[in-house]
Amino acid sequence: SYELTQPPSVSVSPGQTARITCSGDALAKQYAYWYQQKPGQAPVLVIYKDSERPSGIPERFSGSSSGTTVTLTVSGVQAEDEADYYCQSADSSDSVLFGGGTKLTVL
Amino acid sequence: QVQLVQSGSELKKPGASVKVSCKASGYTFTSSAVNWVRQAPGQGLEWMGWINTNTGNPTYAQGFTGRFVFSLDTSVSTAYLQISSLKVEDTAVYYCAISTTGTTQFDYWGQGTLVTVSS
Repeated sequence: SYELTQPPSVSVSPGQTARITCSGDALAKQYAYWYQQKPGQAPVLVIYKDSERPSGIPERFSGSSSGTTVTLTVSGVQAEDEADYYCQSADSSDSVLFGGGTKLTVL
Repeated sequence: QVQLVQSGSELKKPGASVKVSCKASGYTFTSSAVNWVRQAPGQGLEWMGWINTNTGNPTYAQGFTGRFVFSLDTSVSTAYLQISSLKVEDTAVYYCAISTTGTTQFDYWGQGTLVTVSS
């Protein structure tokens, strides 16, 4: 079965660049999406179709894809970016897959 | 603007049933399928499946067959998630979510409904 693998945690200092990876065979054929979730809140879409940014999402959020790995990059990290981040894709039968989530800590 | 408003928190005993609602507004309800996502305490997001708002046909993800039922009332633009024979391990926040692009991206989410199962 398809799975999406993320690192459990990433830590960066304010102003630095955070990179969160997501790996899985499904990503070779399907787009990836990224969500930000802050405590007690619903997830928010921050990247769609691997690298597109929805309106209202700051430019410091970007996405890229290479083979079976996608990467969410947060440039110039701010304290408000501390959150859990989830990648999401779909398998060959359009069943939705979520990665396990990555906790971004701003030191 | 698009809004998905879910019903309030529930406290249930093991073996009971619960029905969570998700009321949509700001768009044509039948233009987007409604997905359901579970998040257990301290855990990640888990896709439960979706319901076609045109046909009412549900699709359940692995692990969510049998006790879980998706339904609709299109007259009030509302989707429902019913869970029967509740278990302690069903304790979670349940979200409804939609895609407005016909893809598997979730553009809009409900605020979540906490279902607590405890004796």
